[in-house]
Amino acid sequence: DIQMTQSPSSLSASVGDRVTITCRASQGIRNVLGWFQQKPGKAPKRLIYATSSLQSGVPSRFSGSGSGTEFTLTISSLQPEDFATYYCLQHNSYPWTFGQGTKVEIK
Amino acid sequence: EVQLVESGGGLVKPGGSLRLSCAASGFTFSAYAMNWVRQVPGKGLEWVSAISSAGTYIYYTESVKGRFTISRDNAENSLYLQMNSLRAEDTAVYYCARDDYGGKTFGEYWGQGTLVTVSS
Repeated sequence: DIQMTQSPSSLSASVGDRVTITCRASQGIRNVLGWFQQKPGKAPKRLIYATSSLQSGVPSRFSGSGSGTEFTLTISSLQPEDFATYYCLQHNSYPWTFGQGTKVEIK
Repeated sequence: EVQLVESGGGLVKPGGSLRLSCAASGFTFSAYAMNWVRQVPGKGLEWVSAISSAGTYIYYTESVKGRFTISRDNAENSLYLQMNSLRAEDTAVYYCARDDYGGKTFGEYWGQGTLVTVSS
């Protein structure tokens, strides 16, 4: 199985800060990776698909990059509505695996 | 508008069974692979199972193999998860979620989730 190691597990940041979250895959996943945002009591919401494609309707401050085994989600200027938990997901091979999540909190 | 609506969750004793349903609307259900993803309250997301558009290909995470069965009825636009021999660690919110067309990407559409609680 492919392990997805996501870091950090949590971070505190201020509005306007640049935030970077990383996922490392235990083996190559051919860039078949998505990023999801989840708020309490809600279903996950897709932000990025295929490593770097922005989901329609998602603000351009969100971006994804990476290749091979290392992938990054960047929020260029954190907004109040961005405080949430973020997950990466590899769906290149079964079983699909999520990262452990990164909780973004207000500093 | 794409909609996925889960039902069938509830309280069940260890060793018991439950059948979850996901009613789909707003798209051609038979053209899309579907998935179940779960989340233990307060914990992270875990992919559980997938089924191809025609039901030909089925996949499970190791911890549910032999206990859970995914199925679909394309005529009824419905996805199912039959859960047997339930354990306390199966307690979670269960989401159904759709692959994108062609199956190259995933996760634009999710249901609201249904809570399964396994407890005596």
